[in-house]
Amino acid sequence: EIVLTQSPGTLSLSPGERATLSCRASQSVSSSYLAWYQQKPGQAPRLLSYGATRRATGIPDRFSGSGSGTDFTLTISRLEPEDFAVYYCQQYGSSPPLTFGPGTKVDI
Amino acid sequence: QITLKESGPTLVKPTQTLTLTCTFSGFSLSTSGLGVGWIRQPPGKALEWLALIYWNDDKRYSLSLKSRLSITKDTSENQVVLTMTNMDPVDSGTYFCAHSVKWNDVFDYWGQGTLVTVSS
Repeated sequence: EIVLTQSPGTLSLSPGERATLSCRASQSVSSSYLAWYQQKPGQAPRLLSYGATRRATGIPDRFSGSGSGTDFTLTISRLEPEDFAVYYCQQYGSSPPLTFGPGTKVDI
Repeated sequence: QITLKESGPTLVKPTQTLTLTCTFSGFSLSTSGLGVGWIRQPPGKALEWLALIYWNDDKRYSLSLKSRLSITKDTSENQVVLTMTNMDPVDSGTYFCAHSVKWNDVFDYWGQGTLVTVSS
């Protein structure tokens, strides 16, 4: 089973700043099958990107995914007020099981 | 427009079996490449994937919960049903069903989730 770790646990930033979130896998994620989700309190997760770099439908271009192998990054170029949330990575290259990371909270 | 909605009991007793239904619209689970999954989230904690059923009736389960889970689909009714046996208080949380991106085991449309509490 591939275990995902995310860092930092909490990222305290201001609107307009750049956010860099890390997701590290315990073993290589095949074909860069790595996705990112955003979740706000009381809401279901929202898919941001998959295939490590492919932005999901309707996601603003300030969100970008990168990485391969065991190290992946989600970058938010300029934080908007609505971007303050918890972000999860998920691998789907080695399934079952699909696994999620523990999350990174981006707050003000 | 794709929508999904979970339904089922909000309270179950320890050792009981939980049955959750995901009713969806806007797509057919007979379409090649599609799947519907279940994911849960204990209060204040991270997401945990439980199960996934594909258009061709292939099924995948969490390794740690496999012995307790069963996922089925009713294509004509646009429903997917998850059963989990021998419920325990640690199984309390919000249970989500979600539509998978075609040919990818990632979830682009989610239900609102249903909160399940396990308590005597």
